[in-house]
Amino acid sequence: DAGITQSPRHKVTETGTPVTLRCHQTENHRYMYWYRQDPGHGLRLIHYSYGVKDTDKGEVSDGYSVSRSKTEDFLLTLESATSSQTSVYFCAISGESYNEQFFGPGTRLTVL
Amino acid sequence: AQSVTQLGSHVSVSEGALVLLRCNYSSSVPPYLFWYVQYPNQGLQLLLKYTTGATLVKGINGFEAEFKKSETSFHLTKPSAHMSDAAEYFCAVSAHSGGSNYKLTFGKGTLLTVNP
Repeated sequence: DAGITQSPRHKVTETGTPVTLRCHQTENHRYMYWYRQDPGHGLRLIHYSYGVKDTDKGEVSDGYSVSRSKTEDFLLTLESATSSQTSVYFCAISGESYNEQFFGPGTRLTVL
Repeated sequence: AQSVTQLGSHVSVSEGALVLLRCNYSSSVPPYLFWYVQYPNQGLQLLLKYTTGATLVKGINGFEAEFKKSETSFHLTKPSAHMSDAAEYFCAVSAHSGGSNYKLTFGKGTLLTVNP
């Protein structure tokens, strides 16, 4: 299995509070991604990174920001959490080969 | 732009029966195609992939898929379902040229139920 960890694995927070989710990899892969998974929507890309300090928006980026200061870490921040951001968040990594992505175990976030 | 359509959000089969999960894609450039499986409360695991070459690709757990360019399809099959195959399956497409060749577009998923 690819060396990807996510923390925390579960979090309950209140509307309006900031939240940061962490993705850590040990594979030295260039590309990292944050997705959210919601019933009936599949996986939707929030943000991705193609190198240290190089990030870009995905299809559902509003309300989220990211940072990548080291190859191994990719942080997702909800500046002011809303109930619509209740979801399961997955981190993924990819090397150079065929865009194949490897997924972390996920973080279940509940915003009350 | 790319898109993926998975026909049937829920498929139910009997143990030992054929499994067929349908995936159609749209891509303006030659695609790379993937099937992922997700077991309850877990992340996604790569089942198989098509990149170039042979259009019939074999994956883990006895699954296979065939790339049909003329039909823009990449259906997933398994000759005989096992109870352990119960999971959600996602088809995904990625372009291997152009500015977005590092992003996958996922279908909405098909939940497979296997009945004893």
